[in-house]
Amino acid sequence: EVQLLESGGGLAQPGGSLRLSCAASGFIFNNYAMTWVRQAPGKGLEWVSSISTTGGGTYYADSVKGRFTISRDNSKDTLYLQMNSLRAEDTALYYCAKDYRYYASWGQGALVTVSS
Amino acid sequence: EIVLTQSPGTLSLSPGERATLSCRASQSVTSYYLAWYQQKPGQAPRLLIYGAASRATGIPDRFSGSASGTDFTLTISRLEPEDFAVYYCQQYGSSPWTFGQGTKVEIK
Repeated sequence: EVQLLESGGGLAQPGGSLRLSCAASGFIFNNYAMTWVRQAPGKGLEWVSSISTTGGGTYYADSVKGRFTISRDNSKDTLYLQMNSLRAEDTALYYCAKDYRYYASWGQGALVTVSS
Repeated sequence: EIVLTQSPGTLSLSPGERATLSCRASQSVTSYYLAWYQQKPGQAPRLLIYGAASRATGIPDRFSGSASGTDFTLTISRLEPEDFAVYYCQQYGSSPWTFGQGTKVEIK
């Protein structure tokens, strides 16, 4: 059974940083691209970033480009999202999802709140 | 980027009725690369349909998807109590991938 477990969410000040992790199990992690999708409170879904199987290809939404960095450690079956220069509008539940195009498996999400 | 517009915003129906949800793309979606998700309160989204019309693993056959040009439709043939939720469409044919704003199917 595929399991994705996010961690690292919390409260950050505007301009601050947080690092999310997503521990994967139940599938061969290094065979799949991975993705972060976020959902602001009471709002819809927004694709944030994706990474190729090796980490050699990374892709970002314009809203986070230059501030967020996606990475992965295939030896630890873990996906990361380094979030810098956080803004109030980054407040959201951040989901880790398996694959690059459409997402059959999702974690339960990590809540990030950006507020002073 | 491709903008997906879902309609209606809210659909009020009774169990056993047919639900028809629309997703219109602002431009053509490559190879009908469109997915549908269901989301219930406090839960992660669940993949229902990919490739506009292919059901994901374990999805009941009362859920079906179709496409015509830039118009995509999710049909629930007979609503079960567990089908009342919010539904999102997503295109993955042109970067950046984008989602519609959602349609809420509520009990009438």
